[in-house]
Amino acid sequence: EVQLVQSGAEVKKAGESLKISCKASGYNFPNYWIGWVRQMPGKGLEWVGIIYPPDSDARYGSSFEGQVTISADKSITTAYLQWSSLQASDTAIYYCARPFMAGGVIVRIDYWGQGTLVTVSS
Amino acid sequence: QSALTQPPSASGSPGQSVTISCTGISSDVGGYSYVSWYQHNPGKAPKLLIYEVSKRPSGVPDRFSASKSGNTASLTVSGLQAEDEADYYCSSNAGSNNLGVFGGGTKLTVL
Repeated sequence: EVQLVQSGAEVKKAGESLKISCKASGYNFPNYWIGWVRQMPGKGLEWVGIIYPPDSDARYGSSFEGQVTISADKSITTAYLQWSSLQASDTAIYYCARPFMAGGVIVRIDYWGQGTLVTVSS
Repeated sequence: QSALTQPPSASGSPGQSVTISCTGISSDVGGYSYVSWYQHNPGKAPKLLIYEVSKRPSGVPDRFSASKSGNTASLTVSGLQAEDEADYYCSSNAGSNNLGVFGGGTKLTVL
């Protein structure tokens, strides 16, 4: 059974750094892209970015380029989303997601994590 | 504002059918066959309901069906059940240099 288990809720202050995690199991981790989807309060979903674990090739949504860093550790089948300096506008639920890719594009999301609530106070 | 437009809410009585629309443009919904739909109960992981416009993953009841016409995709839930009450999101590919776009979500209430 494929599982994406995310780290717990975080409460931070603006300017602080943060790294949240997504532990994958039940499949061959290097064979699939893995990524993050943001849901701001009362809003819809938005791709943060995805990463291919074998070579750490990362692609970011246009709103997130230069704002966050996505990484993956193949040895412990875990993906990460990291901020160096949080802003209040980063307050959101972040979902780990395993997309199915075809021809270099995302076709669908087969599996999701349960979400990590990040709250940033100003 | 989300890239794809969904009605914020929809409702129906048990046994009835309800259709949720998802409107984009020619460079996303209208231009590709990679439209998918997700069911989300807050606090839980979202679940894939439909992919490639109208295909159902194994385990998804055939009460869930979907289609696309032009720039608008639609999800129909037939024979509504109380357990169908959830948020529903559509998503579409939007070109090779884009990770894809989502709708704002529709809250389905079973009356």
